Amino acid sequence: GDSVTQMEGPVTLSEEAFLTINCTYTATGYPSLFWYVQYPGEGLQLLLKATKADDKGSNKGFEATYRKETTSFHLEKGSVQVSDSAVYFCALSDPTGGYSTLTFGKGTMLLVSP
Amino acid sequence: EPEVTQTPSHQVTQMGQEVILRCVPISNHLYFYWYRQILGQKVEFLVSFYNNEISEKSEIFDDQFSVERPDGSNFTLKIRSTKLEDSAMYFCASTPTVIGTGPAFFGQGTRLTVV
Repeated sequence: GDSVTQMEGPVTLSEEAFLTINCTYTATGYPSLFWYVQYPGEGLQLLLKATKADDKGSNKGFEATYRKETTSFHLEKGSVQVSDSAVYFCALSDPTGGYSTLTFGKGTMLLVSP
Repeated sequence: EPEVTQTPSHQVTQMGQEVILRCVPISNHLYFYWYRQILGQKVEFLVSFYNNEISEKSEIFDDQFSVERPDGSNFTLKIRSTKLEDSAMYFCASTPTVIGTGPAFFGQGTRLTVV
């Protein structure tokens, strides 16, 4: 079945550091890929998405590129801020299932200190 | 900005008791979901609901679980006889289209602790 694997957290960084959170996937078809973010006390919200190979999703300074050859969708940000502290979830949705569900990873906690 | 709200934020229950987790989805959305995350594990799909019926459910969603949209605004998840292994964070979500084609809107979660 489909699955998503993310790097273990927490990831602890100083403000303005470069961020990478690794995500790899296995899927039956060619899935759409997502990053969701959960800020403290809030629900998960969509951060960015990519629907086909080599697409780059971007939002709020975060980027992720859909790499079919390595089945990866790593999240990057050039300069993190304290306000980026949150839990980040990589997810996929498989067209063979009609995009009817999201398959998530475990989530990676990011802690940014001033 | 519209949001999905879940109540309660934390519920402690004794093993064998029934619990009902409540969610108010975004009003014009058509698809509703429950997910859960056991501590340290992945977020898992439980069930999706569309047009007043279950459209898909996972292996986890056995006869102990049920969902209902009783009044056109609330969306509830009932666990009839809770087990220790039901302890988890439960997330409700709603979407205007199927979840994999657009943004999903999640509630902040209900942490269920079964003792």
